[in-house]
Formats: sequence, C-alpha cells, structure tokens
Amino acid sequence: EPEVTQTPSHQVTQMGQEVILRCVPISNHLYFYWYRQILGQKVEFLVSFYNNEISEKSEIFDDQFSVERPDGSNFTLKIRSTKLEDSAMYFCASTGLAGGHGETQYFGPGTRLLVL
Amino acid sequence: AQTVTQSQPEMSVQEAETVTLSCTYDTSESDYYLFWYKQPPSRQMILVIRQEAYKQQNATENRFSVNFQKAAKSFSLKISDSQLGDAAMYFCAYNEAGGGADGLTFGKGTHLIIQP
Repeated sequence: EPEVTQTPSHQVTQMGQEVILRCVPISNHLYFYWYRQILGQKVEFLVSFYNNEISEKSEIFDDQFSVERPDGSNFTLKIRSTKLEDSAMYFCASTGLAGGHGETQYFGPGTRLLVL
Repeated sequence: AQTVTQSQPEMSVQEAETVTLSCTYDTSESDYYLFWYKQPPSRQMILVIRQEAYKQQNATENRFSVNFQKAAKSFSLKISDSQLGDAAMYFCAYNEAGGGADGLTFGKGTHLIIQP
C-alpha cells in the first residue's frame, strides 16, 4: 500500500541553524501539507501546497518557514533559522485525486526535530 | 475559526469492553468533514474513521463507529471489543468542505489505556 515517507526520522540542530525536512508524498496525490506537534500538545496545521504554490498557511508559518517541491517526488519544509521553540514532531501529509477539502489526509511517520 | 474540543484527556477501558471518546466542535459551516486519527507510541498518525457532515448515516469501520450529532456538533467515537493494540492517543479533527486545501483542525487528544 502506498505511503508517505519522511526523512530524517530524527534531527538535532543548533539554534540559528537551517534545517530541511523532506517528505515523499503518495505518488498520485496533488495536495501536500505540513503539520507540527509540540510534545504533549495537539497537532497544528502549518501549510498546504497545491500546483507548485502555497494554498493555505497558518499563523505559525512565518517568514522563517518555506516549502518547496524541488522535483516530481519530494516536498520539503525549510526552517531558515531555528529557534528552541521549533522543537517538535513535524508531519507531512498528502491527499489525492479529487481535491483538498474533505479528502483523507495520509500522514507520514514524522520527523522529530530537537533544537539545542 | 473552527475549534475542536476533546474533553477527556485520558480514558481507560478493560480489554474486550466498549469505550466511547467524546468530541465536540464549533463551526458556522453546514458542510464539512470530521475525522478520528489514532496516534500510537510510534507517533504516526493513522486514520481511523471519516464522516461527511451531509450524510446522516454514521460511519463505521469494523469495531469503530461514530455517533454524529450535527445539531449538537458532537462526533464521538465508539470502540467495541477493545484490544490491547487500540491503546493510543486519539485525535478528533475537522476539515471544511469547498475549494482550496485548508489543513485539519485537531483537538487536544484523548489518551486511551486498555487494561488487560
């Protein structure tokens, strides 16, 4: 069964460093998402991406964040200058064929980011 | 903005018994989608069940069923014949209908403990 994959599974970085989190969505999916989950808290929407541009973004997704689909398979989240409060689990999700709203979003296993 | 409330931080049930997890939400929309996701200790988000608001019939998936009360804005999850593998965090989530690609709005989750 197709699945969303994410790399790396864990990343440790120093405050102020740039990190890139990678995702490979399910191959025939059209909408891509990033979420984050700070330890012990709920999952929060960051951004959605469709047709090579941002579709929606939350207040959390400020100028230090960017997303890109550099090729036909990868979908990346870049955090330009990490802060301690960026430590969280980051989930990628994708959904498919008929459109974004209401379609089941399939989540990857997450990347655990720790900023020291 | 839509909100999702899960009022039970933790629930405990004996193996083979039935448990119901509560979820309420607030929206001014008439058409939307509701989801239950399971997050085991591995922290992967796994879809349990999906409900379309315009459908009166409650969704079911094997041992999992929902009680969707649109007027009351309530969306509870019933797990029958609980199994040890059901132990996890359960998140209720909301998604608007229509165009675009809004992210899911999640509740804070309910930690389900299965007693052997």
